[in-house]
Amino acid sequence: GESVGLHLPTLSVQEGDNSIINCAYSNSASDYFIWYKQESGKGPQFIIDIRSNMDKRQGQRVTVLLNKTVKHLSLQIAATQPGDSAVYFCAEKGNTGFQKLVFGTGTRLLVSP
Amino acid sequence: GAVVSQHPSWVICKSGTSVKIECRSLDFQATTMFWYRQFPKQSLMLMATSNEGSKATYEQGVEKDKFLINHASLTLSTLTVTSAHPEDSSFYICSAIPTGGSSYEQYFGPGTRLTVT
Repeated sequence: GESVGLHLPTLSVQEGDNSIINCAYSNSASDYFIWYKQESGKGPQFIIDIRSNMDKRQGQRVTVLLNKTVKHLSLQIAATQPGDSAVYFCAEKGNTGFQKLVFGTGTRLLVSP
Repeated sequence: GAVVSQHPSWVICKSGTSVKIECRSLDFQATTMFWYRQFPKQSLMLMATSNEGSKATYEQGVEKDKFLINHASLTLSTLTVTSAHPEDSSFYICSAIPTGGSSYEQYFGPGTRLTVT
């Protein structure tokens, strides 16, 4: 079945560092990927998305990279701030036409001042 | 824009009772909404897809008679946990996709913490 997993359950960085959160996905037919940020006790918050016909997309302080050859997705956060501390999930949508998302296991990002 | 609300934000109920959770899209219409369940320190697991005016589609392993979903309008979906048991205690999150939107992005509600005693 489909699965989306993350390599690192917890990532600890210092304020100002760049953070990289990784995600491996198994469905090579997935055509859309999203990164979400979830703070404790809250719902997921959209960060950035990327379609399968792209390999890089940049937002404000964030960049998502997609490597379809190895089915790998990463989220880069520049100049990480304490407010970035949260759990980050990648999610993928298959190409079946349905809009369901499959979520990865999550990575907790801890930013120390 | 694209705000989704849930009510209540938290609820405590006794074992054997039923609990209803509401999910509303406040500034857009949503033909499709989703219900997820999230246990502590785990990821979001899709329970069902809620379709306005039709029956919900449940994921494998989710009991449709226990988790009743009603999507009677384009801005409201409800999840009723019937005969709740302690193992149903979890964080329930809904999401919605704007009708006619070109993106697959789902807008998430803030979640409802259910505790069954």
